[in-house]
Amino acid sequence: QLQLQESGPGLVKPSETLSLTCTVSGGSMSSGSYYWGWIRQPPGKGLEWIGNIYHRGNTYYNPSLKSRVTISVDTSKNQFSLRLNSVTAADTAVYYCAKLIGTICFEYWGQGTLVTVSS
Amino acid sequence: EIVLTQSPATLSLSPGERVTLSCRASESVSNYLAWYQQKPGQAPRLLIYDASNRATGIPARFSGSGSGTDFTLTISSLQPDDFATYYCQQYDTYWTFGQGTKVEIK
Repeated sequence: QLQLQESGPGLVKPSETLSLTCTVSGGSMSSGSYYWGWIRQPPGKGLEWIGNIYHRGNTYYNPSLKSRVTISVDTSKNQFSLRLNSVTAADTAVYYCAKLIGTICFEYWGQGTLVTVSS
Repeated sequence: EIVLTQSPATLSLSPGERVTLSCRASESVSNYLAWYQQKPGQAPRLLIYDASNRATGIPARFSGSGSGTDFTLTISSLQPDDFATYYCQQYDTYWTFGQGTKVEIK
């Protein structure tokens, strides 16, 4: 059974960079034609797609976040990562990593990790 | 950006009732639409993809329909475990989510 687990700091200061890693277990990221993604959810609000990456490094980013987001992959560690720079309080959210069915929708999800932006 | 509008925002229902949730896209997304269920403190769970295909392990009481701009998620007989928030998501142009419909106990 494929499992995903987010990790990283739970508190980030305004204007700094949020960095999270998703570790995949129970399967290899480089087998099959799958995309991997990041989604976030501010407290009490809905879901927002951040971006997706293919195991060969191809990326798609939400246009509203594109200038601040970088998603990378390390298949040797079976991990992919999110960096979001110049954060503000509006970036406070639960951040989820997920595996897509092909390039379409999010089939497997991590449990999510709350990141709070505050000084 | 394709905007998905879900209605209603909240539904108050009793177990056993039939549920119909709506998702409308600001432009055609063909059948590139998925539905998710989310319970408090949990990650979303994929229910339906390609508008009408049930994901692995999803009970037959969940069904999806629609194409173009108008989509529906139907729960044929609401079970106690089904009280949750439901989101639609399109993958025609990038990926976007609707704002959700909360199904609560009446």
